Amino acid sequence: DSGVTQTPKHLITATGQRVTLRCSPRSGDLSVYWYQQSLDQGLQFLIQYYNGEERAKGNILERFSAQQFPDLHSELNLSSLELGDSALYFCASSVTSGSGGTDTQYFGPGTRLTVL
Amino acid sequence: AQKVTQAQTEISVVEKEDVTLDCVYETRDTTYYLFWYKQPPSGELVFLIRRNSFDEQNEISGRYSWNFQKSTSSFNFTITASQVVDSAVYFCALRDMDSNYQLIWGAGTKLIIKP
Repeated sequence: DSGVTQTPKHLITATGQRVTLRCSPRSGDLSVYWYQQSLDQGLQFLIQYYNGEERAKGNILERFSAQQFPDLHSELNLSSLELGDSALYFCASSVTSGSGGTDTQYFGPGTRLTVL
Repeated sequence: AQKVTQAQTEISVVEKEDVTLDCVYETRDTTYYLFWYKQPPSGELVFLIRRNSFDEQNEISGRYSWNFQKSTSSFNFTITASQVVDSAVYFCALRDMDSNYQLIWGAGTKLIIKP
């Protein structure tokens, strides 16, 4: 158990809908990262928040957004869902912003999103 | 540009055999960090090891060992006396300044340990 929690574990929805994925980092970690893992794209970095502020952006679609709240939990919002958004979405956390590179990211169990 | 190559898409061995998973990386930075993660069938990503570019010592942890060679830009992972529970997808990842310290992932190697 990494100490990172994600809810829900599974999510089934229809195209065009909007969903929210939730992540609670390990105690003491200030950074939260979101990743998408699909069969054809592998692991893709979406976005990072550090202490409530957006720190880095990866291949995140405009239909997706995220935020980190004062209690450091984070939410990833996915809207206008398409079939291709079906994937495993991971949240990871680390102690610092990671700018020094020494941080280790610890991953949650993931949320499996199925868009029908 | 940075890149991590795990050329072995899938490896299948019989239990108790030793197996090595290859990882080759590309980076222009002199300071960088390498990682291995395990993704068992249950789906979670489990951190195994982090190695920085200044430390070329090999690491052993139980049946797991890692061989870091800067000369060949490789960070290979060996499992000795493999067990069925080792069946998983293993990812190698790189982190450097060029990537803004985000993880650059290899495609993963699926390891199947047959009883």
